[in-house]
Amino acid sequence: GAVVSQHPSWVICKSGTSVKIECRSLDFQATTMFWYRQFPKQSLMLMATSNEGSKATYEQGVEKDKFLINHASLTLSTLTVTSAHPEDSSFYICSARTRMNTEAFFGQGTRLTVV
Amino acid sequence: AQKITQTQPGMFVQEKEAVTLDCTYDTSDQSYGLFWYKQPSSGEMIFLIYQGSYDEQNATEGRYSLNFQKARKSANLVISASQLGDSAMYFCAMREGPRSGGYQKVTFGTGTKLQVIP
Repeated sequence: GAVVSQHPSWVICKSGTSVKIECRSLDFQATTMFWYRQFPKQSLMLMATSNEGSKATYEQGVEKDKFLINHASLTLSTLTVTSAHPEDSSFYICSARTRMNTEAFFGQGTRLTVV
Repeated sequence: AQKITQTQPGMFVQEKEAVTLDCTYDTSDQSYGLFWYKQPSSGEMIFLIYQGSYDEQNATEGRYSLNFQKARKSANLVISASQLGDSAMYFCAMREGPRSGGYQKVTFGTGTKLQVIP
């Protein structure tokens, strides 16, 4: 299957700082990328969907100013957690697909810990 | 209402035996897709199998097969000849809307933790 690379795989940051997570499709052009958040032992909750070259569509309850998503190219999307707080600690995972894909391919995930 | 329901939070299976993981879904769309993903303890999501709503035959991928019963709105995953490496969380998911459409939301179930016993 197609490869999606997510970086970093884990990050620890101080409260109040910002953290950027990258999601790259390595061998295909991703017209759409999805960002999910997963709390321990829970399911994946969709945060936002981004299409290349346009603004991200956020799910209800997700703060746009806190979780900045940029889909600058067909192979790269970034999620920036601004002014991170301990409650933002979670597992963040991206997925990517093209219009003709049946399935979306997932990155390895990023475990964010805010101290 | 839940879009995807997985009623088994945890399952045990003996190595080399078959196991069925349950999934029911709720949608009013005529065109939709159903997926199963595996999530090991390392966290990555591994795509296993896909079934389109218009596919007449049940999907199969190696040891994985999807028991699709459209009228009952169920899409159970069957793993044959279980292996120790199959121990993981398994998520059922649904995409609503046409396959080649634009924005398509994928909703995940709560997952089933499968443990394979030697």
